[in-house]
Amino acid sequence: AQSVTQLDSQVPVFEEAPVELRCNYSSSVSVYLFWYVQYPNQGLQLLLKYLSGSTLVKGINGFEAEFNKSQTSFHLRKPSVHISDTAEYFCAVLNNAGNMLTFGGGTRLMVKP
Amino acid sequence: DAGITQSPRHKVTETGTPVTLRCHQTENHRYMYWYRQDPGHGLRLIHYSYGVKDTDKGEVSDGYSVSRSKTEDFLLTLESATSSQTSVYFCAIRTSGTSYNEQFFGPGTRLTVL
Repeated sequence: AQSVTQLDSQVPVFEEAPVELRCNYSSSVSVYLFWYVQYPNQGLQLLLKYLSGSTLVKGINGFEAEFNKSQTSFHLRKPSVHISDTAEYFCAVLNNAGNMLTFGGGTRLMVKP
Repeated sequence: DAGITQSPRHKVTETGTPVTLRCHQTENHRYMYWYRQDPGHGLRLIHYSYGVKDTDKGEVSDGYSVSRSKTEDFLLTLESATSSQTSVYFCAIRTSGTSYNEQFFGPGTRLTVL
């Protein structure tokens, strides 16, 4: 069975500071990884995805993530956050059959002025 | 937004009553999903469908049933709602024609069971 662990439930950060949201996964075979963002009172929106190839993946809104197979991690980063990045972020892994996502518990990013 | 709507968007009901939530899509995607979102648990899969009348259980299916009589509609039913089913419910579709099966989510339904 696959699992996803998001190590921080909340991350407070000041505006224009860099941020890293941590995600570790367990999966037995091929790994497809995703980061989703949920703004207040909205559904989930895909931020970026890792399928294969380059381990550094760039997404929307200046976010990027790095796939590290040896550490089974897929941490999300942004060099300079904005107030508008305040949201909840979810890491997810696709199962081997390609038909189900398993989500982590989420990390609430709180950007302060 | 992948043409996904959910109804109702908010519902308050009492313990023991039946509740049905509806997910509607406009793009004829084969796969549809129901998740529940609870603090600290992220999203957990309840049931999913891979075609008309074809459904399967997810991680937290107890107390829920689903039906899919048309491609565009996927219904989630709580036969006898309990307070533990108070949650936000999200529907999702999976895109086809790709190798990585991206999922798109609806706006959610907030259900409160008193």
